Amino acid sequence: SYVLTQPPSVSVAPGQTATLTCGGDNIGSKRVNWYQQKPGQAPVVVIYNDGERPSGVPERFSGFNVRDPATLTISGVEAGDEADYYCQVWQSSTDERIFGSGTKLIVL
Amino acid sequence: QVQLQESGPGLVKPSETLSLTCTVSGGPIQPYYWSWIRQSPGKGLEWIGYVYYTGVVNYNPSFTSRLTISLDRPKNQFTLKLRSVTAADAAIYFCARDYRGEYFDSWGQGSLVTVSS
Repeated sequence: SYVLTQPPSVSVAPGQTATLTCGGDNIGSKRVNWYQQKPGQAPVVVIYNDGERPSGVPERFSGFNVRDPATLTISGVEAGDEADYYCQVWQSSTDERIFGSGTKLIVL
Repeated sequence: QVQLQESGPGLVKPSETLSLTCTVSGGPIQPYYWSWIRQSPGKGLEWIGYVYYTGVVNYNPSFTSRLTISLDRPKNQFTLKLRSVTAADAAIYFCARDYRGEYFDSWGQGSLVTVSS
């Protein structure tokens, strides 16, 4: 089945830009969603359909998916952005929803 | 705003059936997909399967042989039944609304299930 690859962790200093990656075979042909999960909480979508931002999500969050890997960029990182981030796609051939393994964003 | 709430036993014995219900409030069942997702301790998210508002289901192949997801439209609920559980099925189980089959836009808070005799 389809596999999404994410680095286990990314570290960034406050105020800097964090770039999280999500790799997969021909991922540019799929729509990528990104979820933020803080400890003890359910995930929350922060980017859907590659680059769309739900209402309430700061403009600091942006997504890009043209070629492998897809990316989630968080500019002006804040301490409150520290969380696990998961990418997710829809596998059309099997109608499955696939999650990446997740990246822990560490704010130094 | 739609809200989802999982309910069910927090402890299941090995080889028995794990049953959870998700109650949807503040919004209609149609025309959405409704999914179950789990997260093993310290691990990532794993999609289990969905039920469409019409009752059509689709499962992660890893679970197909022992999984049933069903919908009770009058009650605005959908249910997960996972048979023959083992310790590997211990996890937090989330229910979520699958918006147009594109992304999960609403989630329940999660239900912790332990598998132990």
